[in-house]
Amino acid sequence: GAVVSQHPSRVICKSGTSVKIECRSLDFQATTMFWYRQFPKQSLMLMATSNEGSKATYEQGVEKDKFLINHASLTLSTLTVTSAHPEDSSFYICSASLLGQGAHGYTFGSGTRLTVV
Amino acid sequence: GQNIDQPTEMTATEGAIVQINCTYQTSGFNGLFWYQQHAGEAPTFLSYNVLDGLEEKGRFSSFLSRSKGYSYLLLKELQMKDSASYLCAVRSIAGGGADGLTFGKGTHLIIQP
Repeated sequence: GAVVSQHPSRVICKSGTSVKIECRSLDFQATTMFWYRQFPKQSLMLMATSNEGSKATYEQGVEKDKFLINHASLTLSTLTVTSAHPEDSSFYICSASLLGQGAHGYTFGSGTRLTVV
Repeated sequence: GQNIDQPTEMTATEGAIVQINCTYQTSGFNGLFWYQQHAGEAPTFLSYNVLDGLEEKGRFSSFLSRSKGYSYLLLKELQMKDSASYLCAVRSIAGGGADGLTFGKGTHLIIQP
């Protein structure tokens, strides 16, 4: 089945540094990738939608200059958290749409636990 | 905007049946999903409903009523491994292309022996 590989699974960084999270679609082309954030005991919140070769669309309240999204190829999308602060500590998950893959759903990466100290 | 409500926590007994309800308000409804999520892991797909009625898949069934903005997930023959959070998520039409999901806060299901 369609698999999205997300790395790293866990990262600890110092406040003020940047962290890059990668999501790769392994056996299909992901035209659209969604990025979610999940705080403890909270639901997944959609941060942005990225389409290959174009600028990402950010949800209201999400700073596009802080959360840089690049979707330069059909198999790779990256999220960079710039100048990270402790309040950015969260669980970040990517998800690819399976439209065009003969399915109506989505496949999720395994998530990245970011801790900013 | 969109609003999705589901109970925060439920407790059930191993071998029994449990129903998790979800109500939603959205414009341009284009499908409702149920996911299972264990702590610290990504959600895994359970079911999808876009038309009214019941979809059965082994021990799991999901029901949708679009006129009532209501869905439920039914879990039968509960097992200890079913202890997890269950997320109700709605997709809305956004004028073409793939659309992101709006998730409810999740129902934490505790299975007791």
